[in-house]
Amino acid sequence: GQQVQQSPASLVLQEGENAELQCNFSSTATQLQWFYQSPGGSLVSLLSNPSGTKHTGRLTSTTVTKERRSSLHISSSQTTDSGTYLCAIVPNSGTYQRFGTGTKLQVVP
Amino acid sequence: EAAVTQSPRNKVAVTGGKVTLSCNQTNNHNNMYWYRQDTGHGLRLIHYSYGAGSTEKGDIPDGYKASRPSQENFSLILELATPSQTSVYFCASGDALGEDTQYFGPGTRLLVL
Repeated sequence: GQQVQQSPASLVLQEGENAELQCNFSSTATQLQWFYQSPGGSLVSLLSNPSGTKHTGRLTSTTVTKERRSSLHISSSQTTDSGTYLCAIVPNSGTYQRFGTGTKLQVVP
Repeated sequence: EAAVTQSPRNKVAVTGGKVTLSCNQTNNHNNMYWYRQDTGHGLRLIHYSYGAGSTEKGDIPDGYKASRPSQENFSLILELATPSQTSVYFCASGDALGEDTQYFGPGTRLLVL
C-alpha cells in the first residue's frame, strides 16, 4: 500500500487565505521533506523537517514523528503558490525517499 | 544552485524499441536518481546510484536498466520499450543518500506507441 498519504488531494483558495496540507506515513521515518512542483512540472525542495517545527518564509512545517504525520502551513497564499505539494519520507527501514501523490493547490485572485 | 539537465525533453518511441534517457549534473553530487511520475502514483524510484560505476534498484526497476559511467552522468535505458512505460521521467541528484536536498531535472516526457 501507499506508504505516504497526502490530504487533501486538491484545494482551492482565495488569495490571502491560509493553506494546511497534511502528510501521513505508515512507517517511522528518519527523514521527511516537502517539495513543490510547479504547473509546468519543475520540482524543488521546500524544506526538510523530520521532527518538530520549521519555518521558512510563509511556510511552516510541523512533524510529529510518533504520530507519523506532518503538516505544511502556507500563510497568506499567493497565486504563485499554485502547484502541487509533495511530501516524501525515508523510512527507518529504507535507504531512499518514498513520495506521496501530492496536494494540488490552486490560489485564485 | 544545483544544475541537473535531462535529454531528450520529449521522446516518442515505438513498442520494442530501445530508449535511452540521459541526465547530467554539474554539482559533483555523489547520488543520482531516476523517477517516473504517473497520475495517481506520484513519484516512484526506478534506479539510483551512489557514484560512478554503481547502480541500485529502486521500487520499480523491472524493464529498466541504469548506467553511471561518471560522477556527472546517469542514464536510464529501456531495452524493449512498452506502452506501459509512457510517463514523465525525472532525474535528481543529491549529496547524501536519502538525507539530502534533491535537485531535480526538468523531466522527460516519453510516449511509447
